Amino acid sequence: KQEVTQIPAALSVPEGENLVLNCSFTDSAIYNLQWFRQDPGKGLTSLLLIQSSQREQTSGRLNASLDKSSGRSTLYIAASQPGDSATYLCAVRQAGTALIFGKGTTLSVSS
Amino acid sequence: DADVTQTPRNRITKTGKRIMLECSQTKGHDRMYWYRQDPGLGLRLIYYSFDVKDINKGEISDGYSVSRQAQAKFSLSLESAIPNQTALYFCATSEGGRAADTQYFGPGTRLTVL
Repeated sequence: KQEVTQIPAALSVPEGENLVLNCSFTDSAIYNLQWFRQDPGKGLTSLLLIQSSQREQTSGRLNASLDKSSGRSTLYIAASQPGDSATYLCAVRQAGTALIFGKGTTLSVSS
Repeated sequence: DADVTQTPRNRITKTGKRIMLECSQTKGHDRMYWYRQDPGLGLRLIYYSFDVKDINKGEISDGYSVSRQAQAKFSLSLESAIPNQTALYFCATSEGGRAADTQYFGPGTRLTVL
């Protein structure tokens, strides 16, 4: 059974810092890995999708990497801003099923 | 207009009542999903459907049922609601099974069972 773990559960940083969120998964037979953002009480916004054949994806200040063999992904946020404060969710998809989510990392960026 | 809509957005009900949550999509996707989210627990899969004739149980299907009325509509029912079903419920869709396919989420339904 696939399990997805995110560390840390919560993170507080001052504005301007670069930071890394971690995601690990137990079964490397995945189709893709996705990072989502969720604001309190709101829906999910897709940030980045990395296909199993890819190593990384970038969007603006965000960079996500994937090491399928070791079951790890990282989300790097450069020059953090208060508007980045949210919960970040990692999810993996395997053949014939839906996304399996980690519990998320709640990020707080102070000005 | 939103591509994935959920109704109602908020619902308060009592233990033992039957509740239906509805999801509609205009993306033309074949695949639809229902998740629930509890504080600190991420999203957990309840049911999923890869086409109108295909229904599959997810990780936590006990106490729930679903109906895929059409390609665009996927409903979740709680036959007899209980307090531990209080949660935020999300519907999602995806186009297919390719590695590049992402899931698109609705805004969520906040359900409270008293």
